Amino acid sequence: DAKTTQPTSMDCAEGRAANLPCNHSTISGNEYVYWYRQIHSQGPQYIIHGLKNNETNEMASLIITEDRKSSTLILPHATLRDTAVYYCIAPRGSNYKLTFGKGTLLTVNP
Amino acid sequence: DAGVTQSPTHLIKTRGQQVTLRCSPKSGHDTVSWYQQALGQGPQFIFQYYEEEERQRGNFPDRFSGHQFPNYSSELNVNALLLGDSALYLCASSLGPSSTDTQYFGPGTRLTVL
Repeated sequence: DAKTTQPTSMDCAEGRAANLPCNHSTISGNEYVYWYRQIHSQGPQYIIHGLKNNETNEMASLIITEDRKSSTLILPHATLRDTAVYYCIAPRGSNYKLTFGKGTLLTVNP
Repeated sequence: DAGVTQSPTHLIKTRGQQVTLRCSPKSGHDTVSWYQQALGQGPQFIFQYYEEEERQRGNFPDRFSGHQFPNYSSELNVNALLLGDSALYLCASSLGPSSTDTQYFGPGTRLTVL
């Protein structure tokens, strides 16, 4: 997998947008960027993925820079239930596995 | 639409014993991957099953083995349990075996080895 770098932790106020950055400067042209989150002691939850264009679904938006070396996951209106570890992953096309780093612990405060 | 299910939820074993964990994939998915998550760490890939065969394996000893059935469900077996095998075991399913096929995770099985 392409190496990804994320901040260890971030705080966000409830109701505000949470912007989680990820650096993936070694990503190849055909490798997607995936975002998962894991609430304490639960299985990871798929959030969103993208290749080049920005993506949006009911959970979040994904902004990928034009050079594809970094991306930002946006939770538009964070709630207390969004407190979790967020993982950014860029799996190799020929590689079946997901390689999880340490992720970013997002804490949403009331 | 049922998601990925795993059983049992929790399990306690003693050193040297053997354990079998089970996973039913999301409807329509034919590929199952297994991960181990130790406390405070991210999930680590164990292996993946597709078409009833092990397609790729992570850095885990042969004590870890698996099986996929014709209905795509899967089992993870661990022999000669060690204290260090205590972890959350996660199953993920996908439409296919490629890393571009989104993997969806189950709730996990918490294994405690005493």
